Amino acid sequence: GQQLNQSPQSMFIQEGEDVSMNCTSSSIFNTWLWYKQDPGEGPVLLIALYKAGELTSNGRLTAQFGITRKDSFLNISASIPSDVGIYFCAGLNYGGSQGNLIFGKGTKLSVKP
Amino acid sequence: KAGVTQTPRYLIKTRGQQVTLSCSPISGHRSVSWYQQTPGQGLQFLFEYFSETQRNKGNFPGRFSGRQFSNSRSEMNVSTLELGDSALYLCASSPRGQGAARELFFGEGSRLTVL
Repeated sequence: GQQLNQSPQSMFIQEGEDVSMNCTSSSIFNTWLWYKQDPGEGPVLLIALYKAGELTSNGRLTAQFGITRKDSFLNISASIPSDVGIYFCAGLNYGGSQGNLIFGKGTKLSVKP
Repeated sequence: KAGVTQTPRYLIKTRGQQVTLSCSPISGHRSVSWYQQTPGQGLQFLFEYFSETQRNKGNFPGRFSGRQFSNSRSEMNVSTLELGDSALYLCASSPRGQGAARELFFGEGSRLTVL
């Protein structure tokens, strides 16, 4: 099925470093959601974005809804070992319901203490 | 407030069998969606229910079905299991059922292995 282009696919960083990941699409979205998934668990919602240009923070996490409505970014500052996991972006096609929620393939983050 | 509860967490079936998975949404949430997650395909939408009615369906064969009860609990069924059905099946609930979806809250999933 249709999916967003999420990059990078994986990252291996040192504790304390900042992390950036992004999602792009050829379609316009009116909602962007960012999730984190730990092994064997379901995705946990981190940040939700509803307006183009919106910048929202959740602790060390900051996400932005791109002005074009076709992309979104997630930044993690001063990474710590518990940030390890897979991060997913999800976009909602304009005017759609939950059935139109499209997920990226994820960014696997590894943090070296 | 209890989160989304899925049962069973793990199960093993053989080809040709059928399986039923259960999901209890967050209290007050009336919208429930199901997703299949595999390493190769990522998160794929199965179907969405609101007020006991299927609102949307993904591109899965008819062997995959679901339903929602009056208390918003939902079940999904997979009949004539195939090896490729091995996956993590995730249920998600949302506080909104009309118009654009907002926050989607996932359960821990049911890990199905088909032998």
